[in-house]
Amino acid sequence: DAMVIQNPRYQVTQFGKPVTLSCSQTLNHNVMYWYQQKSSQAPKLLFHYYDKDFNNEADTPDNFQSRRPNTSFCFLDIRSPGLGDAAIYLCATSRDTLAGASTDTQYFGPGTRLTVL
Amino acid sequence: DQQVKQNSPSLSVQEGRISILNCDYTNSMFDYFLWYKKYPAEGPTFLISISSIKDKNEDGRFTVFLNKSAKHLSLHIVPSQPGDSAVYFCAARNTGNQFYFGTGTSLTVIP
Repeated sequence: DAMVIQNPRYQVTQFGKPVTLSCSQTLNHNVMYWYQQKSSQAPKLLFHYYDKDFNNEADTPDNFQSRRPNTSFCFLDIRSPGLGDAAIYLCATSRDTLAGASTDTQYFGPGTRLTVL
Repeated sequence: DQQVKQNSPSLSVQEGRISILNCDYTNSMFDYFLWYKKYPAEGPTFLISISSIKDKNEDGRFTVFLNKSAKHLSLHIVPSQPGDSAVYFCAARNTGNQFYFGTGTSLTVIP
């Protein structure tokens, strides 16, 4: 029944060692999002894909990259993790981006907790 | 710059009473507002939403009110139940379909 799946749930990496987090969805939604949530803070949007179109937030560091090889999968690559990148990374999907016409919601995965040593 | 704010980090309510969670926003271009509920170790789950063209939306025990002139929305839960204890996030969507979240309010419903 899982609709948005994130693997792994817990990831430990070393300072500066590249890490990839994965997200998959069974909803066949057009849009996939990556959020970063640090302790006691709001989830912060990093970027989103509408189909294959990549939309980066202006303040997302270059250290964060994303790939979406097909509709179902989306990856978050952190090229050189720093201690400040320790957070929960949430993946979400929504059906479309017809803002103003759509009242669609987002469906979230359980998140991946990243620890940087 | 936080565009969506939840100024109360926590709220405690007796079972059966009303819970009121508040949210303020700064961007007048937001056209859609949502409330999410989050249990520990899980992702947020959608609870209720409201379009900017409405001022109220009701779904069972949950009602969301939107005051556009004040850039304020609230979530009312009545009657509150112990199972409602969770963190509640307010979110807003802009015309670019980007969603912005508040920091959350932790609700505890006391039996």
